[in-house]
Amino acid sequence: DTAVSQTPKYLVTQMGNDKSIKCEQNLGHDTMYWYKQDSKKFLKIMFSYNNKELIINETVPNRFSPKSPDKAHLNLHINSLELGDSAVYFCASSQIGVGNYGYTFGSGTRLTVV
Amino acid sequence: QKEVEQNSGPLSVPEGAIASLNCTYSDRGSQSFFWYRQYSGKSPELIMSIYSNGDKEDGRFTAQLNKASQYVSLLIRDSQPSDSATYLCAVKVDSSYKLIFGSGTRLLVRP
Repeated sequence: DTAVSQTPKYLVTQMGNDKSIKCEQNLGHDTMYWYKQDSKKFLKIMFSYNNKELIINETVPNRFSPKSPDKAHLNLHINSLELGDSAVYFCASSQIGVGNYGYTFGSGTRLTVV
Repeated sequence: QKEVEQNSGPLSVPEGAIASLNCTYSDRGSQSFFWYRQYSGKSPELIMSIYSNGDKEDGRFTAQLNKASQYVSLLIRDSQPSDSATYLCAVKVDSSYKLIFGSGTRLLVRP
């Protein structure tokens, strides 16, 4: 019954590899997000999709590519991983236009690049 | 100037005391304000939202908003050791769909 689920929870990989993180929400929300949380706990938005359309694309290296096959799923693919990509990546969802509710976050994916 | 600023702490209070967490924001167009609690190794969890000037109470939590001063705060009454966590302030500018987060204040409640 998890509202926003991410896989994998942990990811350890070598520099230069390509990896993907998957996110799914069963809340019926129309908008999904990727956030990166660094070692200082700072949460920074990366991307957002509304009904499969990219609506937020922050200044992120083009090695990061999001993809939303439908409004319940949002994936993040990272090419040529670098040490600085090590962080916790959170997926979140919300319903735009319905009140002013905040996001619901997934449990996070801790990415470690060695 | 950062868009959303918080004192990183730690803020240490004894059990049963009132913990006061503060946040300032730079964009006067901000309309929606949120407080999230994040335990170590866990995801942020929404605990309060506020949209109008004044106070909003929910159990032991009170959110306070002053748009003229661009200031939002969270009061936790009767603090418990289980309240020990990092509290993240988040601001939404209605022209944008994104939440801008502060870097969080770590709260420690001493038994």
